Amino acid sequence: QTVVTQEPSFSVSPGGTVTLTCGLSSGSVSTSHYPSWFQQTPGQAPRTVIYDTNTRSSGVPDRFSGSIPGNKAALTITGAQADDESDYYCVLYMGSGVWVFGGGTKVTVL
Amino acid sequence: QLQMQESGPGLVKPSETLSLTCTVSGGSISSSSYYWGWIRQPPGKGLEWIGTIYYSGNTYYNPSLKSRVTISVDTSKNQFSLKVSSVTAADTAVYYCARRRNGSGYRDYWGQGSLVTVSS
Repeated sequence: QTVVTQEPSFSVSPGGTVTLTCGLSSGSVSTSHYPSWFQQTPGQAPRTVIYDTNTRSSGVPDRFSGSIPGNKAALTITGAQADDESDYYCVLYMGSGVWVFGGGTKVTVL
Repeated sequence: QLQMQESGPGLVKPSETLSLTCTVSGGSISSSSYYWGWIRQPPGKGLEWIGTIYYSGNTYYNPSLKSRVTISVDTSKNQFSLKVSSVTAADTAVYYCARRRNGSGYRDYWGQGSLVTVSS
């Protein structure tokens, strides 16, 4: 089964910019994978931040953006704030109704 | 405002069957606009997609779990359910139900999650 790859962790300074990526163990990510990004804080259910590559979920600040620069999907936080400190997960559509999550990236803001 | 709530036993013995139900309120599970799914998260670990069902009963499963998982829908009760058979400690997790928009990856509503522990 194809593995979805994410960086284990990232650190960003307040006000800084960080780009998380979501790749495939084999092949390139495209819009056909409908990449989505989720933010999760401890003890809470995930919430969708970005879906279908670059569409922000309702209520998500515009400092969050999604793209596919090259062969991976990316989530960029521009002007990071303290409450952006969370775990971020991506999920990709593999076809035939099957979805696969990445392992998640822990983002620290300090 | 749509709400989704998982319910079921919090403790299941090894080799038995885990059963959870997701009750949807504030919207119809029979809508052609959405799929309904289960996602789980073992303690301290990442998210794992389990499977999805459409109101018509069409199902899609994680290939690695397919032999043990059954998802069903009861439109009369506005609920859908998950069964995982022959459970082991590795099935201990918080189980989430979520709604996904048809033709999109947008999961716009999630349940709060239900912790299921597999232990004798």
